[in-house]
Amino acid sequence: DGGITQSPKYLFRKEGQNVTLSCEQNLNHDAMYWYRQDPGQGLRLIYYSQIVNDFQKGDIAEGYSVSREKKESFPLTVTSAQKNPTAFYLCASSTDLMNTEAFFGQGTRLTVV
Amino acid sequence: QKEVEQNSGPLSVPEGAIASLNCTYSDRGSQSFFWYRQYSGKSPELIMSIYSNGDKEDGRFTAQLNKASQYVSLLIRDSQPSDSATYLCAVNMNTGNQFYFGTGTSLTVIP
Repeated sequence: DGGITQSPKYLFRKEGQNVTLSCEQNLNHDAMYWYRQDPGQGLRLIYYSQIVNDFQKGDIAEGYSVSREKKESFPLTVTSAQKNPTAFYLCASSTDLMNTEAFFGQGTRLTVV
Repeated sequence: QKEVEQNSGPLSVPEGAIASLNCTYSDRGSQSFFWYRQYSGKSPELIMSIYSNGDKEDGRFTAQLNKASQYVSLLIRDSQPSDSATYLCAVNMNTGNQFYFGTGTSLTVIP
């Protein structure tokens, strides 16, 4: 079954901790994205990657880091520098960056405790 | 100026009516446009994509694009209670080749 898998579904982080959100896809898509969604707001782009070993900052990259060592995987680390990390995090992928449809994983809800 | 703007709603329509959702965008060179449906607590689900001026129909859904006016809309015919969700407009901007999303329009279909 092709798709995008995010894990975990729920994640709790203590103040000052780094946490890593997993995103794996078996759609053979080149492009992958991370978005953050807060209540009442749209999706805001954190990072995106067009190919392996290359990624670009989105609009709200501060306090986050990513890697793209494999085509299938695009993990997101939320660092302690991110002052307000509680949000719904969404990973997406598309065939490429140019005019193709993006499909989403089921999301990870991160809460700071 | 926001790149993609939608009326936040909420929009309420009776069951069986037509729901009309609207979106405007800032980048005149944008080439691809998408509508996603998002149920509460879930991730967005792609329901329509449109690339050319005019209408595109898929079942009860019709997307309309007017590039000259920088306007894209989604019509839902014969609205059902299961259509109650937030609808997100997304535009793939030429600038940076990124998807920009609107804040979404909340739709409630009243039985």
